[in-house]
Order: sequence, then structure tokens, then C-alpha cells
Amino acid sequence: GAVVSQHPSWVICKSGTSVKIECRSLDFQATTMFWYRQFPKQSLMLMATSNEGSKATYEQGVEKDKFLINHASLTLSTLTVTSAHPEDSSFYICSAGSGRFYEQYFGPGTRLTVT
Amino acid sequence: GDSVTQMEGPVTLSEEAFLTINCTYTATGYPSLFWYVQYPGEGLQLLLKATKADDKGSNKGFEATYRKETTSFHLEKGSVQVSDSAVYFCALSSTNAGKSTFGDGTTLTVKP
Repeated sequence: GAVVSQHPSWVICKSGTSVKIECRSLDFQATTMFWYRQFPKQSLMLMATSNEGSKATYEQGVEKDKFLINHASLTLSTLTVTSAHPEDSSFYICSAGSGRFYEQYFGPGTRLTVT
Repeated sequence: GDSVTQMEGPVTLSEEAFLTINCTYTATGYPSLFWYVQYPGEGLQLLLKATKADDKGSNKGFEATYRKETTSFHLEKGSVQVSDSAVYFCALSSTNAGKSTFGDGTTLTVKP
């Protein structure tokens, strides 16, 4: 149980275009999901907390107009990188909180490359 | 605020060697503590957890004990394998919103 999927697993896009990444909890309902960014050989950087039915809470320094987060249902959250630039190239990981002992279940990640 | 400090890597061991990765934390209240593992090109997987003082989490031969008096949660394994090569993250969560604080990660390489 507690499986989280992400789609796509990797994407290449041109500079200036927008890219949407989906995060789904497959076998449980997740009222809260988290979006992280990870640079090579570095730790996770929390970008935002996504709450079902309400606006996401962004961490300091994260541009909310650039990284649009929507949590439309208890099993789906999406991250849209708008007007992508090469510096947005990164590994994006989502997770869902189980709510019991606060552990998180992570998706497999999405590798974004902006050319 | 909450923080997690992990032993700096990278760590390189020979197969069957003993592993310790140190982790200490600072938190308000009584956090839950976790170790996550990330294999190359993948997301993170929960390795083990402990939710209260003196609890021992264990999985796949790895163990960690929640030590409140030393605010530590060190990861150990008695005999590592090549397949244990990965990045290990120590983390804590002290809110029921599930938001976690992560250490910087420790890269483990096990050589045959």
C-alpha cells in the first residue's frame, strides 16, 4: 500500500513553454501533498505544500506564479512549471503524507530538462 | 525551527563491513523520526521509522534507535551489501500536517 506515482518520469521541453507534472496517490487519499526539487548530489528542497481544495503554501523564495500547484482531488496534485527556462531543469519529486505517524510516501520523481 | 544534521559523506565501505550514519536533530515537542533511502534516478523510499523515545525502527537489516536524551537517530547495519549503495536521508516530522525536515543526505558506496 501507500503508492505514489508521478507522470511523466522525464520530460524535455523548449525554453518558454509550460510543463505539467502529475502526482497521484494510488491506494490512499492524501489531503496533503508536498513538492520538492532536488539538484544533483543535493538534498531535497521543499517547494510547497499542497492541500486538497485550497491554495498551496509556498516556501520562501519559491515563485508561486512560476510553479503553479493544483490539488483538485484527494488523489491528484499537479505542478505546472510555467515559461520554463534552463535553470528550471531539475529533478522534481512529490510526496503524500499518510497522516498517521507523519511519514511521507514519495513518487519516483520527474526529470525535467529545459533546452 | 526544526533541523536535522547528518554525517557528511560520501561513505565508502567494503562488502560485509559495519555501517553507521550519524543523525542528530533539533525539534520542538516530540517528533517522529525517519530514515529514507534514494537509489540512483529514483524517488525516496521509507526505510524505517520511530515515533517515540526509545523506539527502534528496523528494516532490511538496518536499525535506528530514537534517543531523546542525545537527540539522535543513528542508522546502523551490521553487514552491508553492494546493493545498499544509495543516498540515505534522515528526517523528522513534528506536525500532523506531515511536513518533514530532511538532512542533507549521505551517499553510501559499497564495494565488492
